[in-house]
Amino acid sequence: DVKVTQSSRYLVKRTGEKVFLECVQDMDHENMFWYRQDPGLGLRLIYFSYDVKMKEKGDIPEGYSVSREKKERFSLILESASTNQTSMYLCASSRGGEASIEQYFGPGTRLTVT
Amino acid sequence: EDKVVQSPLSLVVHEGDTVTLNCSYEVTNFRSLLWYKQEKKAPTFLFMLTSSGIEKKSGRLSSILDKKELFSILNITATQTGDSAVYLCAVEAGDSGGGADGLTFGKGTHLIIQP
Repeated sequence: DVKVTQSSRYLVKRTGEKVFLECVQDMDHENMFWYRQDPGLGLRLIYFSYDVKMKEKGDIPEGYSVSREKKERFSLILESASTNQTSMYLCASSRGGEASIEQYFGPGTRLTVT
Repeated sequence: EDKVVQSPLSLVVHEGDTVTLNCSYEVTNFRSLLWYKQEKKAPTFLFMLTSSGIEKKSGRLSSILDKKELFSILNITATQTGDSAVYLCAVEAGDSGGGADGLTFGKGTHLIIQP
C-alpha cells in the first residue's frame, strides 16, 4: 500500500512565524501536491511538483512556498504565518505519466495560527 | 483506525447510463462526508454531507448520506464522457474537543464513460 506521511497531525504557531510542513511518500511517485481544506470550500491546490527541484503554482499559492530536494519529500513553507492560514493541510502523491489521475493522500496537518 | 471503503474500484458504462458509486465508512466522531471528482490536476469538490444535510443535488449529480448504516452514495444520471474521472469519498472526523481531526480518503472509483 502507498504510504504518504505528514510530519505533524496538529500544529499551533504564532503570527509571523516561519512554518514548515513536511510530506514523505514511499512509492517512488513523481508527482506530489499540497492542498488546504477549509469548511465549505473543498480542497484547494496550493503547489505541486512533477519532478525533483521542480514546482508549479496551484490555485492559491500566495503566502506559501515549496521545496522538493528529494523525490520522496515535498515541503510546504509558510514564510510568515497569518491567521487566515489556519486550515487543514493535505499532501498527496501520484505516479507520473498518463496514469497520474489517482492521488494518494496523507492524513493531514491541522495548523492553527494564533 | 478510521476507514473509508469505496466500491466499485472501477466502472465502465456507456454514455446516457446512470451510475451509483458507493462509500462506506467507520470513523470515530463523524463530522462530515465529502465527495470529490478528480481529473488531471486536482480534485474538484462536489458535495459535503453532514448530519444536518444528508441529501444534496446538483444537476445530474446527487448524493445521500445514511448515518445509521454508515454509507453514502453518489448518483450520476444521463452520464456524459466528461464525467469520466476518479471519484473520491472522504470522511472528516472530529476530535474530543469538537474540532476537526482530519480527513480519511477512500481509494476512489475510476469511472469511464464510453461514447
